[in-house]
Amino acid sequence: KNQVEQSPQSLIILEGKNCTLQCNYTVSPFSNLRWYKQDTGRGPVSLTIMTFSENTKSNGRYTATLDADTKQSSLHITASQLSDSASYICVVSVIPAGNNRKLIWGLGTSLAVNP
Amino acid sequence: EAQVTQNPRYLITVTGKKLTVTCSQNMNHEYMSWYRQDPGLGLRQIYYSMNVEVTDKGDVPEGYKVSRKEKRNFPLILESPSPNQTSLYFCASRRTTGTQYFGPGTRLLVL
Repeated sequence: KNQVEQSPQSLIILEGKNCTLQCNYTVSPFSNLRWYKQDTGRGPVSLTIMTFSENTKSNGRYTATLDADTKQSSLHITASQLSDSASYICVVSVIPAGNNRKLIWGLGTSLAVNP
Repeated sequence: EAQVTQNPRYLITVTGKKLTVTCSQNMNHEYMSWYRQDPGLGLRQIYYSMNVEVTDKGDVPEGYKVSRKEKRNFPLILESPSPNQTSLYFCASRRTTGTQYFGPGTRLLVL
């Protein structure tokens, strides 16, 4: 069964600190992996996208890694800011029979950055 | 400004009263979709459309209808809403391949 699991479920850190969020997936056939940021009550916004051959991708203070062998990804946030408080969702894209791409969504990690 | 818009943003209705949530995108995207988001369940796809007049069921289509008569619009129709359809709804669009852009969400309460 295609699944995406994220940990931790929630996290509280102090402003200025770094943190790492985890994503494990059991998905086949794998196409790509995205990290989204979702502010409370708003639509998700894409942070990074990685294909099978990429093992790291940065977007400002956000750095995503991908280990396709172990089927794990992480999102590292450097020097956190209050505006980083949000839910971070890992999404894996599969291409099942018929070439109709399907997204498998994780439940997200809720991050709170406190002053 | 490139964007996906949804209306209304908030809606309270009663069981059985038909409603439509509109979605429009100005990026000339071929692909559009509807999601609902519920606590502990994450985002689940309701319906999607690969292009004009082409729609297909997602993971949770029961109780919903869609249409795609124009490329920019993809309305979500609840013919007879029930309380279990109380949720936060998102419309999204993208090119045939590429990143999805989400609308601001519609919070629906069915009494």
